Amino acid sequence: GQNIDQPTEMTATEGAIVQINCTYQTSGFNGLFWYQQHAGEAPTFLSYNVLDGLEEKGRFSSFLSRSKGYSYLLLKELQMKDSASYLCAVRDGNAGNMLTFGGGTRLMVKP
Amino acid sequence: SQTIHQWPATLVQPVGSPLSLECTVEGTSNPNLYWYRQAAGRGLQLLFYSVGIGQISSEVPQNLSASRPQDRQFILSSKKLLLSDSGFYLCAWSFFGAFVGMNTEAFFGQGTRLTVV
Repeated sequence: GQNIDQPTEMTATEGAIVQINCTYQTSGFNGLFWYQQHAGEAPTFLSYNVLDGLEEKGRFSSFLSRSKGYSYLLLKELQMKDSASYLCAVRDGNAGNMLTFGGGTRLMVKP
Repeated sequence: SQTIHQWPATLVQPVGSPLSLECTVEGTSNPNLYWYRQAAGRGLQLLFYSVGIGQISSEVPQNLSASRPQDRQFILSSKKLLLSDSGFYLCAWSFFGAFVGMNTEAFFGQGTRLTVV
């Protein structure tokens, strides 16, 4: 199985940069995903990493180090609408590509 | 294109009553299917996942059960609801058996907000 850890809450200022970390332990790593979830809504896909390095998509970037079992999501030029929960999820290739989610990091963006 | 349907959107049920939530996927075959639960302000807790018809894996012991009677149908049930079963239930699907590097993100239904009273 997987053990996925991420901070419970973070606060940042509008226009700033914030980094949300995620560490994991898994036997059959086959990809790491980041999702955004606004309160009361379903999660929406943000990014995907399966090889080491940085993937950039506009204001959002995600980094992966497989040897360290570590990923981060970087949000630049924060906007108020970025206030949401950010979920790290790991896919297990030894279990039919089952996705297991971390507890999520609730980000509050303040003016 | 693929779509996922989950219903109902909201549900209020008394303690001890049965539960049946249904999820169907269209536009793909042999998907992985998942049921997650999310308590208020918390992350997603994997309840069940399925890699094929009749194949159900349970992650958390509880009074809930899941069934997959057809390839693209996933049902979450309970015979007697508890107060602690209240939460936001999400069904999701992903492609099965992806090779390394293939982006097989999970696609979520809109969720069912269950309140047990």
